[in-house]
Amino acid sequence: KNEVEQSPQNLTAQEGEFITINCSYSVGISALHWLQQHPGGGIVSLFMLSSGKKKHGRLIATINIQEKHSSLHITASHPRDSAVYICAVIGGETSGSRLTFGEGTQLTVNP
Amino acid sequence: NAGVTQTPKFRILKIGQSMTLQCTQDMNHNYMYWYRQDPGMGLKLIYYSVGAGITDKGEVPNGYNVSRSTTEDFPLRLELAAPSQTSVYFCASRTGQGAYGYTFGSGTRLTVV
Repeated sequence: KNEVEQSPQNLTAQEGEFITINCSYSVGISALHWLQQHPGGGIVSLFMLSSGKKKHGRLIATINIQEKHSSLHITASHPRDSAVYICAVIGGETSGSRLTFGEGTQLTVNP
Repeated sequence: NAGVTQTPKFRILKIGQSMTLQCTQDMNHNYMYWYRQDPGMGLKLIYYSVGAGITDKGEVPNGYNVSRSTTEDFPLRLELAAPSQTSVYFCASRTGQGAYGYTFGSGTRLTVV
């Protein structure tokens, strides 16, 4: 079992729909990243969370440390949101605070 | 600022050849990392460095070497390329202890034939 599990693996939505991607982890963490990767492109950090909730534009990220669970929400989805969304957790300093990644969620938003 | 710069963006190698993937950051970050991304799988850590002169192995270090002679540069060396090393490689950096914001390079797509 992976230390970081994402669901769903693939998600197809119609423009305007509300989208939720889930991330569960089984290890202690210092923080959690939600990352975005466009086809053939680099990786961009959308959010870094250690508690509570963050909002940026149409994107909202939440984390529940006790339940070891995080969610990424996209409101009023748009075709330009189509990308792979990756959850990654940051371990302790003894491991160089390396990132452990989920396998990613491929999101396709159709017009 | 340029952030994290990786070169080359694409490369095709023959089995047994060697090459160095370059990674440079201009943010004075102490911590640097090399990850590889294989299709359908999460990124895996190859090597990391917590400062100039200090490197350590990650999850999948076999077939690779690194050095960190300066704060800015963290090159990844493939000595004898194998088809299993076909992957997309990402370099990343962050400030240091207690600071968890990561910056990623744009990636190097390597094919070994």
